[in-house]
Amino acid sequence: GAGVSQTPSNKVTEKGKYVELRCDPISGHTALYWYRQSLGQGPEFLIYFQGTGAADDSGLPNDRFFAVRPEGSVSTLKIQRTERGDSAVYLCASSEGREQPQHFGDGTRLSIL
Amino acid sequence: DQQVKQNSPSLSVQEGRISILNCDYTNSMFDYFLWYKKYPAEGPTFLISISSIKDKNEDGRFTVFLNKSAKHLSLHIVPSQPGDSAVYFCAATLVKTDKIIFGKGTRLHILP
Repeated sequence: GAGVSQTPSNKVTEKGKYVELRCDPISGHTALYWYRQSLGQGPEFLIYFQGTGAADDSGLPNDRFFAVRPEGSVSTLKIQRTERGDSAVYLCASSEGREQPQHFGDGTRLSIL
Repeated sequence: DQQVKQNSPSLSVQEGRISILNCDYTNSMFDYFLWYKKYPAEGPTFLISISSIKDKNEDGRFTVFLNKSAKHLSLHIVPSQPGDSAVYFCAATLVKTDKIIFGKGTRLHILP
């Protein structure tokens, strides 16, 4: 399909484990965003990439969270030493550039037991 | 603190009538406002937007109104259809940034 693809769609893991969440943006989109949506809340900004570099990582909650986009396309969000409070839906979005509409994937539902 | 507020968690509207979803914001530096629609187990889908220099934007059945002095915007859907049943997020972006700040959402139920 031509949309933003996120894998896995669901991830269940134990507290303390390491997880990686993957995002394949729409082809040609230079901007990529990660958001986190907790139950009953709207999506909350985590980090924004323009090309390969993180242009704004002000939303990452702490240093257990890290994201990369080495070739300016696929991005991986990495969470170390997971905690129960990390349980949420992690959403990825991409756009053609600044001030263009962001197109969201269906998210990865992360559950930390 | 919640910079984008949607004070109605849910709203029920008869099919064919007008749906009005409301949103308030606190930050006067917001320069762009957006509405997203979300179905269960899917990501949010962009619906309509409005620049802070405008007071109205219309796209088919959807119209967004912006009242800057009141820091209030609303989404009107007319006529409402069964497929409009979803969660609607009001959102905003700050000048010179690209991160979207979302409200908590309003669940819209279109009744047959």
